[in-house]
Amino acid sequence: DTGVSQDPRHKITKRGQNVTFRCDPISEHNRLYWYRQTLGQGPEFLTYFQNEAQLEKSRLLSDRFSAERPKGSFSTLEIQRTEQGDSAMYLCASSLTGGADTQYFGPGTRLTVL
Amino acid sequence: AQKVTQAQTEISVVEKEDVTLDCVYETRDTTYYLFWYKQPPSGELVFLIRRNSFDEQNEISGRYSWNFQKSTSSFNFTITASQVVDSAVYFCALTDFMKTSYDKVIFGPGTSLSVIP
Repeated sequence: DTGVSQDPRHKITKRGQNVTFRCDPISEHNRLYWYRQTLGQGPEFLTYFQNEAQLEKSRLLSDRFSAERPKGSFSTLEIQRTEQGDSAMYLCASSLTGGADTQYFGPGTRLTVL
Repeated sequence: AQKVTQAQTEISVVEKEDVTLDCVYETRDTTYYLFWYKQPPSGELVFLIRRNSFDEQNEISGRYSWNFQKSTSSFNFTITASQVVDSAVYFCALTDFMKTSYDKVIFGPGTSLSVIP
């Protein structure tokens, strides 16, 4: 059973540039989640999808952030006009169904904005 | 609002010692789920356990055990005979009742455990 994968694992960019991250969930998992984790903190919820529908977005997700999950498979998270405050680990998780089903996490994408 | 507190920021133990990681949670829901995740230096969060609010039985899995006490809103995690490979950041987490489903997981700040050989 292949786990959640994320690409790239590391991204260094200059302030003002756009970046896009990809997440491939465990196959047949309907729910897909994005979290952000800053140094020394626990992950913070950003948004989640039920198949291709984006059902909830955190207030942390500013207008510069957009997430998609076309066809209910992989998902992308794009950050436009990056700022230094966007530097963090971006984690993706998936679960078989919603509710209290266990979320399984990918290795994360570490973003550094210079 | 839901909240998870892990008062121990960092713990160091010598290999083979037992160690308990504390977790205290707050929620107004009567039905909720609690989790523990491990985050080794590689960065990937590894699921350890899920427990629902109606099941207060303690659980043991090898060297790991969990003590859930609803009366004190605590869900503590004990590692027996710690090993160097146990060195990681451990997160306690709680589901947030969101609309009609439990989808948002609230994480505590984590406890960094160092096991010294």
